[in-house]
Amino acid sequence: EAGVVQSPRYKIIEKKQPVAFWCNPISGHNTLYWYLQNLGQGPELLIRYENEEAVDDSQLPKDRFSAERLKGVDSTLKIQPAELGDSAVYLCASSFQRNTEAFFGQGTRLTVV
Amino acid sequence: DQQVKQNSPSLSVQEGRISILNCDYTNSMFDYFLWYKKYPAEGPTFLISISSIKDKNEDGRFTVFLNKSAKHLSLHIVPSQPGDSAVYFCAAMRNRGGKLIFGQGTELSVKP
Repeated sequence: EAGVVQSPRYKIIEKKQPVAFWCNPISGHNTLYWYLQNLGQGPELLIRYENEEAVDDSQLPKDRFSAERLKGVDSTLKIQPAELGDSAVYLCASSFQRNTEAFFGQGTRLTVV
Repeated sequence: DQQVKQNSPSLSVQEGRISILNCDYTNSMFDYFLWYKKYPAEGPTFLISISSIKDKNEDGRFTVFLNKSAKHLSLHIVPSQPGDSAVYFCAAMRNRGGKLIFGQGTELSVKP
């Protein structure tokens, strides 16, 4: 069974440029999460989807971050414009239901220079 | 406000001995707890979980203990193996609501 797939694995961009990350969750998983992980810290939730509905986006900096999950499957997370402080690992995860364990992708390591 | 804390950033254990990783939490509304293991350049991998209605859950070499009165949980690995060397995160969930709150992680090193 394929796990959560994220792309790209690594991205280096200049500040003020836009960037997008893509996530394909495990087949049949209705709940999808985007987490942010800074160096030496645990992951922090940015947004959670139940099917195509964003049910928790309280931690998403909406002035520059946006996300979508069209058709309730794949998801994209966008940053525009990127800032130096956005350098981190962006993790996507999915779960069968919201109250079951989440499975994580390998993450996208973003470096903003 | 760090609701889930792992106060030991690192732990070194000899192969074959027991590894004990600790985690404290502050929110009494948390009712589901999980441990994840993370290798470098990979995403976290689910290891074991425990509901707040239990005080112990065991899966092979891994056992999680929950002490609700102390708001403390621990992960025991017996016997420890070099392949267990990784960063371990504890996480908590409130009302089984899907949002995981993670600790800062503990890096375990198992020496041959």
